[in-house]
Amino acid sequence: QQPVQSPQAVILREGEDAVINCSSSKALYSVHWYRQKHGEAPVFLMILLKGGEQKGHDKISASFNEKKQQSSLYLTASQLSYSGTYFCGTLHSGAGSYQLTFGKGTKLSVIP
Amino acid sequence: NAGVMQNPRHLVRRRGQEARLRCSPMKGHSHVYWYRQLPEEGLKFMVYLQKENIIDESGMPKERFSAEFPKEGPSILRIQQVVRGDSAAYFCASSSGGEKLFFGSGTQLSVL
Repeated sequence: QQPVQSPQAVILREGEDAVINCSSSKALYSVHWYRQKHGEAPVFLMILLKGGEQKGHDKISASFNEKKQQSSLYLTASQLSYSGTYFCGTLHSGAGSYQLTFGKGTKLSVIP
Repeated sequence: NAGVMQNPRHLVRRRGQEARLRCSPMKGHSHVYWYRQLPEEGLKFMVYLQKENIIDESGMPKERFSAEFPKEGPSILRIQQVVRGDSAAYFCASSSGGEKLFFGSGTQLSVL
């Protein structure tokens, strides 16, 4: 079951904040966030495990609400380097194998 | 300390030909995953392999597609008798068995 990401695209000016949401219809074990710049490999940002944890590094953080089966990625004081497509990947509880299922992505454009 | 290496970077094939995509995982990683990406789409899981074993191939088309990860050498994704619909970016990722995936830069397959 592919997770649903919103919004599909967002344009920010440098210094503005953004929130990207990721939700699933199935019980989640963990949520993974990656960023991909055009023509490049997706790069790992963070993993959140069930238990409702919150994580962050630099000005990018994320939360995981196990009950709502959703995660949110928070980008504060955005920089030009934050531009790219952000993907959430979900691993479901009870999965017999490691199959990370990715959403369609949220395209973030940061402009000066 | 090389990351995940994929080659070729670009591959052009005519309909009916065979395509072979190679992936060398990061040093010390024995878990390999293949994903396919279409423009404006997320990464679609294809197959998960460990050395000499296919663990989960639930995302692989039943015909024409195969994957291997031999004891020695890179993992190979093989597409026989390619069709135009096979045109996509194919990404390989590796891990040490933990949940964090390291992606290669992908192979862009174009079928004429």
